Amino acid sequence: QQKVQQSPESLIVPEGGMASLNCTFSDRNSQYFWWYRQHSGEGPKALMSIFSNGDKKEGRFTAHLNKASLYVSLHIKDSQPSDSALYFCAVSISQGGRALIFGTGTTVSVSP
Amino acid sequence: EAAVTQSPRNKVAVTGGKVTLSCNQTNNHNNMYWYRQDTGHGLRLIHYSYGAGSTEKGDIPDGYKASRPSQENFSLILELATPSQTSVYFCASGAGLGDSYEQYFGPGTRLTVL
Repeated sequence: QQKVQQSPESLIVPEGGMASLNCTFSDRNSQYFWWYRQHSGEGPKALMSIFSNGDKKEGRFTAHLNKASLYVSLHIKDSQPSDSALYFCAVSISQGGRALIFGTGTTVSVSP
Repeated sequence: EAAVTQSPRNKVAVTGGKVTLSCNQTNNHNNMYWYRQDTGHGLRLIHYSYGAGSTEKGDIPDGYKASRPSQENFSLILELATPSQTSVYFCASGAGLGDSYEQYFGPGTRLTVL
């Protein structure tokens, strides 16, 4: 079965700094990749998706995908205290139906 | 924005008791999901549904049943609750069509089994 692993487990980044989150997956048929963010006491919320190899930028967030290396990453530029949250990588091998396999998450703490 | 609500938000149950967690979505999504979240395990899929009347087993279905009586509602049932089922449970909905795989999560239910 698909295994999705994230590193580091937790990360402290100074306000204004760069946070880098890593995710590896095991199934070479994986096609769709998501980053979800969960603030304390809330449900996860989709942050961004990436479906093609390369980089995708949305504001301060940049996702990078390398399917051949079974790797996806998320970079948060100019980190803000509101970015403090639990971040999940989620991977799917097909459209529709069964859905996503989530990683175990990376806790990001932005220190003022 | 897509709306998923869960009830109750907090529940304390006794070992061996029956627990029903409810989920409602107003997005008209075909697919609905139940996950549990535990430290060190991330989100694990318990049951999911493709539409009214359908339920499918996820990765950790033992000890849980699910019911999808309508497009909007999806319940998770613990017939004989055990302390190992103490966790935070999340319901989600998704269209699951095309390349849009986004899932919309509810606020969660914190369940404590004593």
